[in-house]
Amino acid sequence: GAVVSQHPSWVICKSGTSVKIECRSLDFQATTMFWYRQFPKQSLMLMATSNEGSKATYEQGVEKDKFLINHASLTLSTLTVTSAHPEDSSFYICSASAGTGTYEQYFGPGTRLTVT
Amino acid sequence: AQKITQTQPGMFVQEKEAVTLDCTYDTSDQSYGLFWYKQPSSGEMIFLIYQGSYDEQNATEGRYSLNFQKARKSANLVISASQLGDSAMYFCAMREGPDSGYALNFGKGTSLLVTP
Repeated sequence: GAVVSQHPSWVICKSGTSVKIECRSLDFQATTMFWYRQFPKQSLMLMATSNEGSKATYEQGVEKDKFLINHASLTLSTLTVTSAHPEDSSFYICSASAGTGTYEQYFGPGTRLTVT
Repeated sequence: AQKITQTQPGMFVQEKEAVTLDCTYDTSDQSYGLFWYKQPSSGEMIFLIYQGSYDEQNATEGRYSLNFQKARKSANLVISASQLGDSAMYFCAMREGPDSGYALNFGKGTSLLVTP
């Protein structure tokens, strides 16, 4: 199956700093990438959908100025958490789709962010 | 409104027995897809099985089968011959049409524990 990588797998940062998470599709072109957030013992919540070359579409309640998403190429999307606060500590998971005609989304392994 | 409902927060099953994890969904779309994912403690999302709304036969993948009852809007996952390695969180998810951007909407999950 298709492989999606995320980097870093875990990160600890201080409150007020920014952190960037990368999501890469390694062996296919991802026209659409999705970013999810998962708090402990909870479900995955969609944060935003990004299509290559377009601005991301954010879900209601997700601050687009805080969670900057860039999908500059067909194999890379980045999520930058700006001015991170302890409440942003979470598990961030990306997924990638090769196109609307296919049903599968391929998930990355996730990034665990801890803000101190 | 919750689109995916998983009513079993936790389930126990003995090794080698079969177990059914419940999932009901709510959509007004005619075309949609239903997924089951397994999430072990490592956090990765492992795709198990997919059922399209127009598929007339229930999907099967090895020890996994999906009991699709369209009129009842249910998509229960059946795991046969449970193994200790099946202990994990299980999420039911639905993919709707273009208006939703084809993102996945997840249920709250069921924690499955397989006992020897």
